[in-house]
Amino acid sequence: GAGVSQTPSNKVTEKGKYVELRCDPISGHTALYWYRQSLGQGPEFLIYFQGTGAADDSGLPNDRFFAVRPEGSVSTLKIQRTERGDSAVYLCASSLTHGALGGYTFGSGTRLTVV
Amino acid sequence: TQLLEQSPQFLSIQEGENLTVYCNSSSVFSSLQWYRQEPGEGPVLLVTVVTGGEVKKLKRLTFQFGDARKDSSLHITAAQPGDTGLYLCAGAPGSYIPTFGRGTSLIVHP
Repeated sequence: GAGVSQTPSNKVTEKGKYVELRCDPISGHTALYWYRQSLGQGPEFLIYFQGTGAADDSGLPNDRFFAVRPEGSVSTLKIQRTERGDSAVYLCASSLTHGALGGYTFGSGTRLTVV
Repeated sequence: TQLLEQSPQFLSIQEGENLTVYCNSSSVFSSLQWYRQEPGEGPVLLVTVVTGGEVKKLKRLTFQFGDARKDSSLHITAAQPGDTGLYLCAGAPGSYIPTFGRGTSLIVHP
């Protein structure tokens, strides 16, 4: 596609429920990143994929968070037993290769609200 | 503790004024990027700087990377309402995974 697509754009869920957030990167981009942005903060790194494998998941806050990229393209961020503190905008970015100086193209994000 | 400190946090100015925002760290970065983010959108890359002392210009925006590659500044000349947004700096340490500052929220009034 022309840009990074994230769905849904908004998600409201009840505390304790399971949610999945989808990211469709730019075609041909091998590197994919998930960030989380809380109100008044900059994006916070969660996990990075190179191809199908998670190359760095050091930013995942706990084991309720998990992400996959089974075919090296679309990625899904999964959150189990959601908590109110998980409410934030979840951003996905992709780049042609990891460390590309041309930068990272971000999607518009999924705004997750846990009530 | 933020790896990258941005200042000021908020800036409200009139159209036509000049401004500078700063991005500081105690860490050395292999590269540093500036992004602009509008409400409801993801950050959009403005520039990447990689060499200490480097200066890059993008129309009315001037970006400078510190000699020691620990800090950067963004200067906007004759600000316009279209410049309104959240300006984020992101440093890439050896891992090349960008770490973002909290941003400077800029409002330019007509």
